[in-house]
Parts: sequence; structure tokens; C-alpha cells
Amino acid sequence: DTGVSQDPRHKITKRGQNVTFRCDPISEHNRLYWYRQTLGQGPEFLTYFQNEAQLEKSRLLSDRFSAERPKGSFSTLEIQRTEQGDSAMYLCASNGKGPGETQYFGPGTRLLVL
Amino acid sequence: GDSVTQMEGPVTLSEEAFLTINCTYTATGYPSLFWYVQYPGEGLQLLLKATKADDKGSNKGFEATYRKETTSFHLEKGSVQVSDSAVYFCALSYVQGGSEKLVFGKGMKLTVNP
Repeated sequence: DTGVSQDPRHKITKRGQNVTFRCDPISEHNRLYWYRQTLGQGPEFLTYFQNEAQLEKSRLLSDRFSAERPKGSFSTLEIQRTEQGDSAMYLCASNGKGPGETQYFGPGTRLLVL
Repeated sequence: GDSVTQMEGPVTLSEEAFLTINCTYTATGYPSLFWYVQYPGEGLQLLLKATKADDKGSNKGFEATYRKETTSFHLEKGSVQVSDSAVYFCALSYVQGGSEKLVFGKGMKLTVNP
């Protein structure tokens, strides 16, 4: 299967710790997105990469959050000094070509901050 | 900004019942419209999409028509199955500042009983 993969699938951490998530997009896709989904809500956009360039960040992405895509392939999302409000499902998606093309989602990383 | 409003549920139906999930949107331009489905324990999967007015998306017996005049994209299925039990999200995509993002509704949980 060559879909979007995310690691880890689940993460439990204590408040104040740092966590890092990884996303591997579909190999030929040059666009990569991060979303956050809290319980009972739809996913909300966090940030977007085209190749290695981070082109947009949502105001939801506080300065404790940082995302990278160093070689235009996989991406990492790091949360520093986690807070209980960071508990959510973090979703990665990818697509290629132009606007309106389907975004394909990974299974997500579920984060629980105690 | 652009937004999506959908029926929230939860909804419980008997097998073979008719399903309608209402979705309306607000957008300044001409977005593409999507229905995504999230089965228990799995990631988001594209169910169907429409990229311009009057387009009809269809998949697995589900249909939705892009109605510009009513800004709607209602999801329908004539006869639901137990395997359709999932959370359904309506979404639009728009391009801003060179990047494209999805905006989701809150999702509707559907349970189909045998």
C-alpha cells in the first residue's frame, strides 16, 4: 500500500514534554498538509507545504508548533511544551498537481496530553 | 471566511432506509466540494467530490449534486447498509495566497442497524 502513512499512531505524553510526529506522503505528491481534529469536530487546517517550502500557517499554529519538510518528502510536526489543550488527532494529507485535486489523508496520530 | 454547515446528528437508521445529510457552504469564490467518510478506527477517505456547479459526484451508491443557487451539496443514498456506519464530513476547498486548504463541517455520525 502506498498511501499516506503517519507515525506514531498514538502518543501519550505528560504536560510540558515535547512530541514529534512524522508523515510520509504518497511518493509523487508535492503538496503536504497538516490538520488537527478535536473530538466531535471536523479537521482544521494547520499548515501547508509545497515541496520543501512551508507556504502557509494557520493562526491555530502557535509558536510552540513547528513543521518541517526538509527534502520535500516526509514531514515532521513538533509540539514543544505540550498542553492539555493540544490533545487531538493530528492528520496529514497530500496531493499533487493543481487546485481541486483530492487530498489523501493518513490514519492520523492521536495525541493525549496528561 | 469560507465555511461549511452540515447536519450534526448522531443519526440512527435501519438497514435499507433512505439517507440524506444536508450540507450548505459559504464561499467567496467557486470552491470544489467534497464528502469524506471516517470509518471507526480509520482515517478520512474521500467518498465523492464535485468541482463545479451542477456536477454530480457519486460513489458506492452515494450521490451529491453541487447546487450553486442554494449553496448546497447534500449527500443521499437510497438504501443504507450496516457497513455505511461511519462519520461523514462535508468539506470545501479554496485557494488563498497560492495555497489550497480544506474547510470541513463538524461531521455527522451515522449508525445503521440490521
